[in-house]
Amino acid sequence: GESVGLHLPTLSVQEGDNSIINCAYSNSASDYFIWYKQESGKGPQFIIDIRSNMDKRQGQRVTVLLNKTVKHLSLQIAATQPGDSAVYFCAEREGSSNTGKLIFGQGTTLQVKP
Amino acid sequence: DTAVSQTPKYLVTQMGNDKSIKCEQNLGHDTMYWYKQDSKKFLKIMFSYNNKELIINETVPNRFSPKSPDKAHLNLHINSLELGDSAVYFCASSQRKGRGQETQYFGPGTRLLVL
Repeated sequence: GESVGLHLPTLSVQEGDNSIINCAYSNSASDYFIWYKQESGKGPQFIIDIRSNMDKRQGQRVTVLLNKTVKHLSLQIAATQPGDSAVYFCAEREGSSNTGKLIFGQGTTLQVKP
Repeated sequence: DTAVSQTPKYLVTQMGNDKSIKCEQNLGHDTMYWYKQDSKKFLKIMFSYNNKELIINETVPNRFSPKSPDKAHLNLHINSLELGDSAVYFCASSQRKGRGQETQYFGPGTRLLVL
């Protein structure tokens, strides 16, 4: 069955360091992946997305890497700041789906130490 | 000028009651969703409407009934509330524009506590 999971439930980093949050997915038919950030008491906020025909995409301070061979997705945050503290979710969309249905992973809590 | 808004933000009620949660988006999107987030932060899709037509209906008790009066609104009515319904319910919206190209924008959530 489909599943999207994250390797670590909590990641603690020092302010200024780079953070890497990992995600494994099981559905090889998924063709679109998204990272969301959820701060305490708020809804998930879009960070960055990547299609399956790409293996890397960069945004402002964030990079998403996709390795379809091992079905692995990662989010890299450069120069992590206290404001980056949140729960991060990866989500996948099945390629054959025309409903827009997203399957979310369980989330990784990022804690940034000052 | 919030993009996706939900009311109420907090809802505390007794078991057995019936309650509704409302969602509105001003992004001009044609697709709206309801998600449930449990105490372990796991987010799961419940329903989705595209142009007022139900397109996703996950395995959800039929005590939950969504209703979309127009493209900008998607409400969720819950009958006979149970303790296990306690969770945070998120509304989201997106614009359909080809396979795998839709970003979903989430509302702030409704925190439901059933006593």
